[in-house]
Amino acid sequence: NAGVTQTPKFQVLKTGQSMTLQCAQDMNHNSMYWYRQDPGMGLRLIYYSASEGTTDKGEVPNGYNVSRLNKREFSLRLESAAPSQTSVYFCASSAGGLAGYRVVHNEQFFGPGTRLTVL
Amino acid sequence: GQSLEQPSEVTAVEGAIVQINCTYQTSGFYGLSWYQQHDGGAPTFLSYNALDGLEETGRFSSFLSRSDSYGYLLLQELQMKDSASYFCAVRRKDSNYQLIWGAGTKLIIKP
Repeated sequence: NAGVTQTPKFQVLKTGQSMTLQCAQDMNHNSMYWYRQDPGMGLRLIYYSASEGTTDKGEVPNGYNVSRLNKREFSLRLESAAPSQTSVYFCASSAGGLAGYRVVHNEQFFGPGTRLTVL
Repeated sequence: GQSLEQPSEVTAVEGAIVQINCTYQTSGFYGLSWYQQHDGGAPTFLSYNALDGLEETGRFSSFLSRSDSYGYLLLQELQMKDSASYFCAVRRKDSNYQLIWGAGTKLIIKP
């Protein structure tokens, strides 16, 4: 049981290059998330997927796209990287959803992160 | 608006007790969570308060007071391995899935 895995662990890009960050979870979770974390700051949500087949913008979606490929996998794409996108990117997953009318607390499980530098 | 405030840094001595506060301004939320993150690592879940009061998990306790818009994480019998950053987060009431995060408190433990 690997939990949440991310690839790559490190990446250096030049301005304007594109890349896709991969994320997979083996916990049969419904919801998946992409965050970025800048030095000395909390996590900011880029995009999330409440369930397979749906994606929604978070707090800072500009410059990114996502694909929920299946229940396990959720990828993040930078089409034209900019230095402002230099950050650590975390993927997370949670069981997600509701139990009747009550929101079920869903602990988020995080991957190890991808450290991205854009020159 | 919605925001959470935490002290940026707290220093304590090994074996002591430390409290990390979190105050928030948000129109509505479902509960207060705490996560721990070691340098270079990923956040890991510590505790969750759905209701007012104290939740205890081993050496860690978390408290929530909705009327005061305030919560805290209490760490007892501090160990050097507790040196990390601690984040509070609330789940937005208008979204089942989005957490709003504080900027984190770096806990420095001295021997």
